[in-house]
Amino acid sequence: DAGVTQSPTHLIKTRGQQVTLRCSPKSGHDTVSWYQQALGQGPQFIFQYYEEEERQRGNFPDRFSGHQFPNYSSELNVNALLLGDSALYLCASSSPGQWEGYTFGSGTRLTVV
Amino acid sequence: AQKITQTQPGMFVQEKEAVTLDCTYDTSDPSYGLFWYKQPSSGEMIFLIYQGSYDQQNATEGRYSLNFQKARKSANLVISASQLGDSAMYFCAMREGGSGNTPLVFGKGTRLSVIA
Repeated sequence: DAGVTQSPTHLIKTRGQQVTLRCSPKSGHDTVSWYQQALGQGPQFIFQYYEEEERQRGNFPDRFSGHQFPNYSSELNVNALLLGDSALYLCASSSPGQWEGYTFGSGTRLTVV
Repeated sequence: AQKITQTQPGMFVQEKEAVTLDCTYDTSDPSYGLFWYKQPSSGEMIFLIYQGSYDQQNATEGRYSLNFQKARKSANLVISASQLGDSAMYFCAMREGGSGNTPLVFGKGTRLSVIA
């Protein structure tokens, strides 16, 4: 049973560029949440997708956007990259009826230079 | 105000001994869930243990137990019989409300180092 899969694992981009990160949820999960984890910090919630719509959003600018596909996989897009966007981006999948059920991927480590 | 506070940036423990990682939380919602995750250097957040606000007993999962003191708003993680493989970052997190999809709020974490 595959867990959460994220790609790519590492990425280096230049300031001002755009980036797309991808996530495939755990089998049986239909909700995908994205978190940003800066170095030395805990993860911060970016947004959550369910039924192909953004359902909840954290305190992140509009440069951060996303998408969910019919197969429940999701993309995170960041436009006009800043040096401060360098972080580990974690994807977590879940299902509304499961109390404990957040499964995280290994993350994408983004470096903006 | 921070919702999750982890006051120990780093902890050391001797192999085979027990260690307690501290976590306090702040919420006015009577329904909430508390989580502990382990994050090795690979980056993946590994779920360890969960405690619901209405659970009467402290949660246990193998060598992990959660010391839940509701009146003090604390949810400390106890790891018994520490192993070298326990060396990692540990995060306490909270979900407010009754929905299974409510986002998690994380603390800043504690780095645990197990010494042989």
